[in-house]
Amino acid sequence: DGGITQSPKYLFRKEGQNVTLSCEQNLNHDAMYWYRQDPGQGLRLIYYSQIVNDFQKGDIAEGYSVSREKKESFPLTVTSAQKNPTAFYLCASTRDRGQTEAFFGQGTRLTVV
Amino acid sequence: RKEVEQDPGPFNVPEGATVAFNCTYSNSASQSFFWYRQDCRKEPKLLMSVYSSGNEDGRFTAQLNRASQYISLLIRDSKLSDSATYLCVVNTPGGYNKLIFGAGTRLAVHP
Repeated sequence: DGGITQSPKYLFRKEGQNVTLSCEQNLNHDAMYWYRQDPGQGLRLIYYSQIVNDFQKGDIAEGYSVSREKKESFPLTVTSAQKNPTAFYLCASTRDRGQTEAFFGQGTRLTVV
Repeated sequence: RKEVEQDPGPFNVPEGATVAFNCTYSNSASQSFFWYRQDCRKEPKLLMSVYSSGNEDGRFTAQLNRASQYISLLIRDSKLSDSATYLCVVNTPGGYNKLIFGAGTRLAVHP
Protein backbone atom coordinates (compact mmCIF):
# COMPACT_ATOMS: atom_id res chain seq x y z
CA ASP A 1 0.00 0.00 0.00
CA GLY A 2 1.18 3.50 -0.78
CA GLY A 3 1.60 5.99 1.96
CA ILE A 4 3.84 8.15 4.07
CA THR A 5 5.97 6.72 6.81
CA GLN A 6 7.36 8.77 9.63
CA SER A 7 9.79 7.39 12.12
CA PRO A 8 10.16 7.11 14.97
CA LYS A 9 6.69 7.60 16.43
CA TYR A 10 8.12 8.81 19.76
CA LEU A 11 11.51 10.40 20.26
CA PHE A 12 13.23 11.62 23.39
CA ARG A 13 16.34 13.73 23.27
CA LYS A 14 18.45 15.73 25.65
CA GLU A 15 18.51 19.47 25.35
CA GLY A 16 21.27 20.69 23.04
CA GLN A 17 21.30 17.63 20.81
CA ASN A 18 20.38 17.67 17.15
CA VAL A 19 17.84 15.09 16.08
CA THR A 20 16.63 13.98 12.64
CA LEU A 21 13.07 12.92 11.91
CA SER A 22 12.50 10.62 8.98
CA CYS A 23 9.76 10.97 6.35
CA GLU A 24 9.45 8.61 3.39
CA GLN A 25 6.65 8.40 0.82
CA ASN A 26 5.99 5.86 -1.92
CA LEU A 27 3.13 7.78 -3.52
CA ASN A 28 5.36 9.33 -6.18
CA HIS A 29 4.27 12.74 -4.96
CA ASP A 30 6.15 15.82 -6.04
CA ALA A 31 5.69 18.03 -2.99
CA MET A 32 6.48 17.30 0.64
CA TYR A 33 5.89 19.35 3.77
CA TRP A 34 6.84 19.47 7.42
CA TYR A 35 4.45 20.90 9.99
CA ARG A 36 4.71 21.38 13.71
CA GLN A 37 1.73 21.14 16.05
CA ASP A 38 1.72 22.25 19.69
CA PRO A 39 -1.00 21.11 22.13
CA GLY A 40 -4.37 22.65 21.34
CA GLN A 41 -3.02 24.50 18.33
CA GLY A 42 -3.10 24.21 14.56
CA LEU A 43 -0.39 23.09 12.17
CA ARG A 44 2.42 25.51 11.40
CA LEU A 45 4.55 25.09 8.29
CA ILE A 46 8.25 24.56 8.87
CA TYR A 47 9.64 23.72 5.43
CA TYR A 48 8.31 22.47 2.13
CA SER A 49 9.74 21.12 -1.08
CA GLN A 50 8.21 20.84 -4.51
CA ILE A 51 11.07 19.18 -6.36
CA VAL A 52 14.24 17.30 -5.58
CA ASN A 53 17.14 19.44 -4.38
CA ASP A 54 14.89 22.42 -3.76
CA PHE A 55 13.02 23.50 -0.63
CA GLN A 56 11.51 26.62 0.87
CA LYS A 57 11.19 28.00 4.38
CA GLY A 58 7.77 28.05 5.91
CA ASP A 59 6.57 30.28 8.71
CA ILE A 60 8.70 28.81 11.51
CA ALA A 61 11.91 27.54 9.86
CA GLU A 62 14.34 28.90 12.45
CA GLY A 63 16.18 26.10 14.24
CA TYR A 64 15.27 23.49 11.63
CA SER A 65 16.93 22.16 8.50
CA VAL A 66 15.84 19.82 5.70
CA SER A 67 17.17 18.09 2.61
CA ARG A 68 15.47 16.65 -0.46
CA GLU A 69 18.05 14.48 -2.17
CA LYS A 70 15.47 11.94 -3.31
CA LYS A 71 11.87 12.42 -4.38
CA GLU A 72 10.58 9.98 -1.78
CA SER A 73 12.49 11.30 1.22
CA PHE A 74 12.33 14.59 3.14
CA PRO A 75 14.11 14.35 6.52
CA LEU A 76 13.83 17.13 9.09
CA THR A 77 16.64 17.98 11.49
CA VAL A 78 15.73 19.75 14.70
CA THR A 79 18.86 21.59 15.74
CA SER A 80 19.98 22.82 19.13
CA ALA A 81 19.10 26.31 17.93
CA GLN A 82 15.39 25.50 18.12
CA LYS A 83 14.36 26.94 21.47
CA ASN A 84 11.20 24.94 22.10
CA PRO A 85 11.53 21.71 20.11
CA THR A 86 9.06 19.59 22.09
CA ALA A 87 6.06 19.16 19.76
CA PHE A 88 4.18 16.85 17.41
CA TYR A 89 5.81 16.84 13.95
CA LEU A 90 3.80 15.93 10.88
CA CYS A 91 5.07 15.20 7.40
CA ALA A 92 2.76 15.47 4.40
CA SER A 93 2.89 15.13 0.64
CA THR A 94 0.80 16.23 -2.32
CA ARG A 95 0.65 14.78 -5.80
CA ASP A 96 1.37 18.10 -7.39
CA ARG A 97 2.56 21.42 -6.10
CA GLY A 98 -0.08 22.00 -3.46
CA GLN A 99 -3.18 21.97 -5.64
CA THR A 100 -4.52 18.67 -4.42
CA GLU A 101 -5.13 17.07 -1.06
CA ALA A 102 -2.31 16.36 1.33
CA PHE A 103 -1.60 12.92 2.74
CA PHE A 104 -0.03 12.72 6.17
CA GLY A 105 2.27 10.41 8.01
CA GLN A 106 1.35 9.33 11.53
CA GLY A 107 3.59 11.95 13.06
CA THR A 108 6.55 11.97 15.43
CA ARG A 109 6.21 13.16 19.02
CA LEU A 110 9.48 14.74 20.03
CA THR A 111 10.19 15.40 23.67
CA VAL A 112 13.32 17.23 24.69
CA VAL A 113 14.34 16.90 28.30
CA ARG B 1 -4.15 39.12 9.48
CA LYS B 2 -3.62 35.35 9.49
CA GLU B 3 -3.68 33.63 6.12
CA VAL B 4 -6.40 31.23 7.24
CA GLU B 5 -8.72 31.92 10.16
CA GLN B 6 -11.34 29.71 11.75
CA ASP B 7 -13.95 29.98 14.46
CA PRO B 8 -12.02 29.20 17.66
CA GLY B 9 -14.64 26.93 19.20
CA PRO B 10 -15.08 24.65 21.00
CA PHE B 11 -18.54 23.73 19.84
CA ASN B 12 -20.46 21.56 22.29
CA VAL B 13 -23.61 20.15 20.70
CA PRO B 14 -26.08 17.33 21.41
CA GLU B 15 -26.40 14.34 19.13
CA GLY B 16 -28.61 15.11 16.17
CA ALA B 17 -27.75 18.81 16.07
CA THR B 18 -26.66 20.71 12.99
CA VAL B 19 -23.40 22.62 13.35
CA ALA B 20 -21.58 24.98 10.98
CA PHE B 21 -17.92 25.92 10.87
CA ASN B 22 -16.57 28.96 9.09
CA CYS B 23 -13.18 29.77 7.66
CA THR B 24 -11.79 32.86 5.95
CA TYR B 25 -8.64 33.15 3.87
CA SER B 26 -6.58 36.17 2.93
CA ASN B 27 -5.10 35.31 -0.48
CA SER B 28 -7.66 35.96 -3.20
CA ALA B 29 -5.62 33.88 -5.66
CA SER B 30 -6.04 30.68 -3.64
CA GLN B 31 -7.52 27.93 -5.75
CA SER B 32 -7.72 24.78 -3.63
CA PHE B 33 -9.65 24.37 -0.41
CA PHE B 34 -10.12 21.43 1.93
CA TRP B 35 -11.62 20.40 5.22
CA TYR B 36 -9.64 17.95 7.33
CA ARG B 37 -10.59 16.13 10.48
CA GLN B 38 -8.08 15.52 13.25
CA ASP B 39 -8.68 13.20 16.18
CA CYS B 40 -6.79 13.68 19.40
CA ARG B 41 -3.08 12.90 19.01
CA LYS B 42 -3.53 11.65 15.46
CA GLU B 43 -2.64 12.94 12.02
CA PRO B 44 -5.19 15.02 10.06
CA LYS B 45 -7.28 13.15 7.52
CA LEU B 46 -9.10 14.58 4.54
CA LEU B 47 -12.81 15.04 5.15
CA MET B 48 -13.66 16.69 1.86
CA SER B 49 -12.39 19.00 -0.82
CA VAL B 50 -14.35 22.20 -1.39
CA TYR B 51 -15.46 23.02 -4.91
CA SER B 52 -16.75 26.28 -6.31
CA SER B 53 -20.24 24.91 -6.77
CA GLY B 54 -20.36 23.51 -3.26
CA ASN B 55 -20.39 19.83 -2.53
CA GLU B 56 -22.08 17.35 -0.27
CA ASP B 57 -21.01 14.01 1.15
CA GLY B 58 -23.69 12.39 3.25
CA ARG B 59 -24.25 14.55 6.31
CA PHE B 60 -21.45 16.95 5.38
CA THR B 61 -21.81 19.97 3.09
CA ALA B 62 -19.00 22.32 2.09
CA GLN B 63 -19.47 25.74 0.51
CA LEU B 64 -17.06 28.23 -1.03
CA ASN B 65 -17.67 31.94 -1.44
CA ARG B 66 -14.80 33.39 -3.46
CA ALA B 67 -16.08 36.95 -3.32
CA SER B 68 -16.00 36.94 0.46
CA GLN B 69 -12.99 34.58 0.66
CA TYR B 70 -14.93 32.31 2.93
CA ILE B 71 -15.54 28.56 3.15
CA SER B 72 -17.89 26.67 5.39
CA LEU B 73 -18.61 23.17 6.59
CA LEU B 74 -22.06 22.07 7.70
CA ILE B 75 -22.57 18.86 9.64
CA ARG B 76 -26.14 17.63 9.92
CA ASP B 77 -27.48 15.07 12.40
CA SER B 78 -24.28 15.11 14.50
CA LYS B 79 -23.01 11.79 15.81
CA LEU B 80 -20.82 11.13 18.83
CA SER B 81 -18.16 9.96 16.38
CA ASP B 82 -18.05 13.42 14.80
CA SER B 83 -16.24 14.72 17.89
CA ALA B 84 -12.87 15.92 16.62
CA THR B 85 -11.04 19.04 15.51
CA TYR B 86 -11.91 20.32 12.04
CA LEU B 87 -9.17 22.04 10.09
CA CYS B 88 -9.65 24.40 7.17
CA VAL B 89 -6.85 24.17 4.59
CA VAL B 90 -6.08 26.57 1.76
CA ASN B 91 -3.34 26.53 -0.83
CA THR B 92 -1.32 29.68 -1.29
CA PRO B 93 -0.36 29.98 -4.93
CA GLY B 94 2.60 31.72 -6.40
CA GLY B 95 6.01 30.56 -7.44
CA TYR B 96 5.88 28.03 -4.64
CA ASN B 97 2.52 26.61 -3.70
CA LYS B 98 2.06 25.77 -0.07
CA LEU B 99 -0.81 24.45 2.01
CA ILE B 100 -1.79 26.61 4.97
CA PHE B 101 -3.87 25.23 7.83
CA GLY B 102 -6.26 27.09 10.05
CA ALA B 103 -5.89 26.64 13.80
CA GLY B 104 -8.87 24.28 13.83
CA THR B 105 -12.26 24.23 15.50
CA ARG B 106 -12.96 21.60 18.11
CA LEU B 107 -16.33 19.86 18.08
CA ALA B 108 -17.67 17.86 21.02
CA VAL B 109 -20.91 15.98 20.44
CA HIS B 110 -22.61 14.76 23.62
CA PRO B 111 -25.46 12.29 24.18
